[in-house]
Formats: sequence, structure tokens, C-alpha cells
Amino acid sequence: GGIITQTPKFLIGQEGQKLTLKCQQNFNHDTMYWYRQDSGKGLRLIYYSITENDLQKGDLSEGYDASREKKSSFSLTVTSAQKNEMAVFLCASSMMGGHEQYFGPGTRLTVL
Amino acid sequence: GQQVQQSPASLVLQEGENAELQCNFSSTATQLQWFYQRPGGSLVSLLYNPSGTKHTGRLTSTTVTKERRSSLHISSSQITDSGTYFCAMTTGGNNKLTFGQGTVLSVIP
Repeated sequence: GGIITQTPKFLIGQEGQKLTLKCQQNFNHDTMYWYRQDSGKGLRLIYYSITENDLQKGDLSEGYDASREKKSSFSLTVTSAQKNEMAVFLCASSMMGGHEQYFGPGTRLTVL
Repeated sequence: GQQVQQSPASLVLQEGENAELQCNFSSTATQLQWFYQRPGGSLVSLLYNPSGTKHTGRLTSTTVTKERRSSLHISSSQITDSGTYFCAMTTGGNNKLTFGQGTVLSVIP
């Protein structure tokens, strides 16, 4: 088994601020993902990384940057926080090539 | 782009009743995964079922690939089953999961 850790659990920032969310996995999975979940809704893909040194945009990448520092870690940066993007950000990982995805506990973002 | 429709949007059951949740998608799925989420909780993978029938505990998922649909059957529902159930799918060999809007299940005594 393995685990996905997301830090911080709660993130509070000011409008216009640059904020970074971190994700670590010990499944030894190749592929990692960042999703955004708005209250009461399904998830939407922001960025994903198929292997180390790869970066792919999802459906919601505008306003975000991502970085795959090493195989086990994947960071997401909100480049300029806006009030309408208060949501829970979920990190996931899987084996390469389209397999079951496993999710972390999430980071809840609040923008003041 | 691909779309995933879940029904019903919400469901209220008495404890012990069975639940049937449906998921329909616009493209042929190569991956199909069912998830559970408690309010304010994390997303838990229930079943990975791109085709055929799979069971785990009181859960049964049946995916009919050519008809672009999947179902999740919960037998003998319990109060602790309350929460939101999501299905998600991908097409081709890509890794991009598209999620449905979820079914909110409430199990009452």
C-alpha cells in the first residue's frame, strides 16, 4: 500500500497572492495529477504529469502553474489567487498508461 | 469533450434498502472508476471497473462498455453509506479522468 500526503491541509491567502500547494506520494507511481473541486461539484483536472520531467495541461490550467520536482512530488501554484477559486484541491497518482487513480486528502483554499 | 452524467442527483433511502446509481458517458470508456466522498472528506476509490462486473463487500459495479454506461449497486444500505458517489472515466490511453457531478445518498434510520 501507499499514501498521498498534501500540505497544507488548509491554506488562506489574500487576493492576488501567489500560493503553492504540495503533494507527495510513496506508491512509486509514475503519473500525478492536480484536480480542483468546487463546493458540491465533481472534480476538474488542472495539470498532470505522466512521468518525472513531464507536464500536461488539463481543462482548468489557466491561472495555475505546476512543477514535478521528482517522481514522488508534484506542486501546484496558484499564480494570483482570486475569490472565485476558493475550492478543495486534490492530488492523485496512478501507474502510467491509464490506471486506477488514488487521491490525497485535499487542501482547502480560502481567499480573503 | 467527453461528458459523464450521473443519476439520480440525490437519493434518500431507509436503512436496509438497496441503492442503484447510474453513470452514462458520451464516449467509450477505457477506464471507469467509482469514488465515495463524505461531506468535507477525501475521495475514496471504491471500484475500478472499466468493463464487466466487480464486487467488493456490499458494492457491485456493472459496466457495459458498448452501451457507455455503468451502475453501482449498494445492497442493504447503512447510515454510514451516506455521502456523495462519483463516477469518473477516461477514453483512449490517456490518463485524464472526467468526473460526473455525483449522486448524493442519504440513508436514514
